Amino acid sequence: EVQLVESGGGLVQPGGSLRLSCAASGFTFSSYEMNWVRQAPGKGLEWVSYISSSGSTIYYADSVKGRFTISRDNAKNSLYLQMNSLRAEDTALYYCARDPSPGDYFDYWGQGTLVTVSS
Amino acid sequence: DIQMTQSPSSLSASVGDRVTITCRASQTISSYLNWYQQKPGKAPKLLIYVVSSLQSGVPSRFSGSGSGTDFTLTISSLQPEDFATYYCQQSYSIPWTFGQGTKVEIK
Repeated sequence: EVQLVESGGGLVQPGGSLRLSCAASGFTFSSYEMNWVRQAPGKGLEWVSYISSSGSTIYYADSVKGRFTISRDNAKNSLYLQMNSLRAEDTALYYCARDPSPGDYFDYWGQGTLVTVSS
Repeated sequence: DIQMTQSPSSLSASVGDRVTITCRASQTISSYLNWYQQKPGKAPKLLIYVVSSLQSGVPSRFSGSGSGTDFTLTISSLQPEDFATYYCQQSYSIPWTFGQGTKVEIK
């Protein structure tokens, strides 16, 4: 069974940093592209970042470019999102999502981890 | 960026109704259109990918169609478990973008 379990969320002050993790199991993690998608409270879905299976190709939404860094450790079956210079508008539930390329859609999602940026 | 616009934003329907949700892209996205269902407090669930391919385990009452800029998600006979919010998503070009969502409520 495919499982994605996010962790690392919490309350952080504006300008602060947080590192999210996503532990994957039930599939060959190193064969899949992965993404982070977020959802602000009561709002819709926003794609945040993509990483290829090897980690060699990375994309970001403009809203997080230069502040967030996606990475992965295939030996540990884990995906990460380092978030720096956090802003109030980064407050959201952050999901990791598997991407069964080709197609670039999201076939499995974690349960999400909540990031709250507030003073 | 490609803007995705869903209509309606919400609808009320009864069990057994046929429901259609429309998604329009601001430019052509070929067949790179996907649909998700999200229930309150839950992660989104993939329903349909590349316009009309049904994800494994999704009931056949869900179907998708369209091409270019205009796409539809149809639920042929609404069931109690289908009351949720539905999102379209384009995977034609980065940044991948979602529609604003369509909330399907019980009439």
